[in-house]
Amino acid sequence: DIQMTQSPSSLSASVGDRVIITCRASQAISNYLAWFQQKPGKAPKSLIYAASSLQSGVPSKFSGSGSGTDFTLTISSLQPEDFATYYCQQYNSYPWTFGQGTKVEIK
Amino acid sequence: EVQLVESGGGLVQPGRSLRLSCTPSGFTFGDYAMSWVRRAPGKGLEWVGFIRSKAYGETTEYAASLKGRFTISRDDSKSIAYLQMNSLQSEDTAVYFCIRVQFDWLLSTFYFDYWGQGTLVTVSS
Repeated sequence: DIQMTQSPSSLSASVGDRVIITCRASQAISNYLAWFQQKPGKAPKSLIYAASSLQSGVPSKFSGSGSGTDFTLTISSLQPEDFATYYCQQYNSYPWTFGQGTKVEIK
Repeated sequence: EVQLVESGGGLVQPGRSLRLSCTPSGFTFGDYAMSWVRRAPGKGLEWVGFIRSKAYGETTEYAASLKGRFTISRDDSKSIAYLQMNSLQSEDTAVYFCIRVQFDWLLSTFYFDYWGQGTLVTVSS
């Protein structure tokens, strides 16, 4: 199975900060990578697919990059509604696997 | 607006079975693959499996650790996706999410787009 490792596991940031979350795959996955946001008690929300393509309706403050084994999710200017847990997921091969999550908290 | 509503969760004894349902709205169910993901308490997300649309033969893929106990099916006439779970164990206690699966024509692969809010399954005596 492909292991996905996110860093950091949690971070504290202020409104307006630029936040970068990284995701590393244990083997090359081309650009078969997605990012999700989850808030407590809410349905997860898909943000990005194919490493850098925004899902419909997702604001452009979210961006993704990377290919192969190293990927990043960037939030350009953190807003109150962005405090949540973020997950990466590879769909290069079965079983599809997720990172352990990065919790973004208010500083 | 695309919505997915899971149902059928609850408290079940170890060794028993449970069937979850996923009822969609806002799109033509038969055109899409569907998937299930779970999150156990205090743990991360775990992919359970998915079922392709009729156009792709309604074939399925599963996490190896669950294959044989969990079965995903669909009834396009009712627009419902199912997750049949047998021989449940305490480790199966989790919130189960239903997800619509989109097809990326450029990369010729599937990926998640819309998620339901999940239904809680608790396996305990």
